[in-house]
Amino acid sequence: EAGVAQSPRYKIIEKRQSVAFWCNPISGHATLYWYQQILGQGPKLLIQFQNNGVVDDSQLPKDRFSAERLKGVDSTLKIQPAKLEDSAVYLCASTSNRNTQYFGPGTRLTVL
Amino acid sequence: GENVEQHPSTLSVQEGDSAVIKCTYSDSASNYFPWYKQELGKRPQLIIDIRSNVGEKKDQRIAVTLNKTAKHFSLHITETQPEDSAVYFCAASTTLSGSRLTFGEGTQLTVNP
Repeated sequence: EAGVAQSPRYKIIEKRQSVAFWCNPISGHATLYWYQQILGQGPKLLIQFQNNGVVDDSQLPKDRFSAERLKGVDSTLKIQPAKLEDSAVYLCASTSNRNTQYFGPGTRLTVL
Repeated sequence: GENVEQHPSTLSVQEGDSAVIKCTYSDSASNYFPWYKQELGKRPQLIIDIRSNVGEKKDQRIAVTLNKTAKHFSLHITETQPEDSAVYFCAASTTLSGSRLTFGEGTQLTVNP
């Protein structure tokens, strides 16, 4: 079974620039999550999708972050404009049974 | 919302010793408690999980215990090996919250040969 795929693996941008991350969940997994993991901390949920609908985006900074999952499979997370404090690893996870979550390798974002 | 506290933040043991990491949670509705292992630069990997209808679960050298009354759960690793060195995260979720995971801050475990 293929795992959760993410790209790019690394991204370096300057503050105020835009960036987008892509995630392809495990085949058949209806629920997809985006987490932000700041160095030395546990992952924190940004947004949760069930198929192509948003279930929870209460912790997403909506003034600069956006996410979509148009066809209920792949998802993109965008930051515009980026701030220094957005430097983190962005993890995508998926689940089929609403409990056990499988994580992708993450995208490490550095904002200069 | 849910709050998960984890301790210790760092733990150093000798190879062959046991390691115990403890977590507490605040939401009594939480009913699923996974543990993830994250090696440097790698993705979090699920190593064991427990649901609220079970008090203990074991998988080879790894065990997890849950005390619902006290709202705490613990990870036990026996006969530690250098390859157990990593950051371990506990988490909690409830189906009422759409199963989103609330993570602890992590424990850096170092197993010295």
